Amino acid sequence: KAGVTQTPRYLIKTRGQQVTLSCSPISGHRSVSWYQQTPGQGLQFLFEYFSETQRNKGNFPGRFSGRQFSNSRSEMNVSTLELGDSALYLCASSLGPGGAEAFFGQGTRLTVV
Amino acid sequence: KQEVTQIPAALSVPEGENLVLNCSFTDSAIYNLQWFRQDPGKGLTSLLLIQSSQREQTSGRLNASLDKSSGRSTLYIAASQPGDSATYLCAVIKAAGNKLTFGGGTRVLVKP
Repeated sequence: KAGVTQTPRYLIKTRGQQVTLSCSPISGHRSVSWYQQTPGQGLQFLFEYFSETQRNKGNFPGRFSGRQFSNSRSEMNVSTLELGDSALYLCASSLGPGGAEAFFGQGTRLTVV
Repeated sequence: KQEVTQIPAALSVPEGENLVLNCSFTDSAIYNLQWFRQDPGKGLTSLLLIQSSQREQTSGRLNASLDKSSGRSTLYIAASQPGDSATYLCAVIKAAGNKLTFGGGTRVLVKP
């Protein structure tokens, strides 16, 4: 059974650019959540999608957005990149909408220069 | 606002010793609690999920307990091995939805 797949694994972008990250959840899982991990702030929740609807959103600026497709795959987009957006972005997949066990992908390491 | 704390931030033990990792949370109205392991530069690996109605959960050498009333969970790893060296994170889910609130993690080093 395939796990959570995140692409790409590594990205280097320039300030001001935009970036799109992709997450394919475990087959049958309909909930996808996104997290940002930095040495200073730890793991912070970005947003959660279930059945193509955003159900929760963390305290991040509007430059961070996401969406979920009918096959449960999800993308997150960051526009007008800042140096502080450099981080490991992690996607979590869960079976259902409430309190199900979360399974994480390997993450996308974004470096903004 | 839910806050999750893990103390100590780092721990070093000789191989064979039992590990005791602590997690505390401020709001006892949690739905469940999950323990993860993270190796450097990697994603998170789920270790154990404890539902709010449970007091403990076991998997192999791992045992996690949950005391909602005191806002605490403890992860025990028996007979530690060098391969157990990693950062261990706990996270709670408060209510409907799958938003995880994480602690800062405990970095564990098991010395051969």
